[in-house]
Amino acid sequence: DTAVSQTPKYLVTQMGNDKSIKCEQNLGHDTMYWYKQDSKKFLKIMFSYNNKELIINETVPNRFSPKSPDKAHLNLHINSLELGDSAVYFCASSQDLSANEKLFFGSGTQLSVL
Amino acid sequence: GQNIDQPTEMTATEGAIVQINCTYQTSGFNGLFWYQQHAGEAPTFLSYNVLDGLEEKGRFSSFLSRSKGYSYLLLKELQMKDSASYLCAENQAGTALIFGKGTTLSVSS
Repeated sequence: DTAVSQTPKYLVTQMGNDKSIKCEQNLGHDTMYWYKQDSKKFLKIMFSYNNKELIINETVPNRFSPKSPDKAHLNLHINSLELGDSAVYFCASSQDLSANEKLFFGSGTQLSVL
Repeated sequence: GQNIDQPTEMTATEGAIVQINCTYQTSGFNGLFWYQQHAGEAPTFLSYNVLDGLEEKGRFSSFLSRSKGYSYLLLKELQMKDSASYLCAENQAGTALIFGKGTTLSVSS
């Protein structure tokens, strides 16, 4: 069983469209994250949720709206997609917010905006 | 990453030893992680250091000097499958894990 699963794996869409990426973890973790990895492989934090509550929002445009219906799920909705949104988006989870807790990553969603 | 610096690329041969260095911001420091990422895959956890010294795990070791804001990842007996990106990441108080830009290691025969 996959610990952190996200869908879809690939997403190709036109500029201006709205799309969602779903993420689920079956590890019983309290904390979930969205990271964006650009073409230069730089992995940057976007959001962090702990027990469904938003903890971190790292100056991400408000076209990006995360939603956590329960602590096992953290979905990402993106409105009015732009070319610069093309990247690989990784969902991750950790046991809690403790500093020594490692992250478990999903397999990534490669988003291509045309 | 915010004030996390590591070399962009390194090359080495099978059987060799390679050391990947990382410097980070010391204020608010709360722990240092190393992750491995193969092309097209998710990052996976390698090591965690919060106290000064060397942590050894099989062929991989990680070192930390808190006073110098410095860490390294040491890979011994290199294998072809070690070709990957190695990401240094700092846990700073009040934030999520902040990653460096990664070091792409190419191992040749």
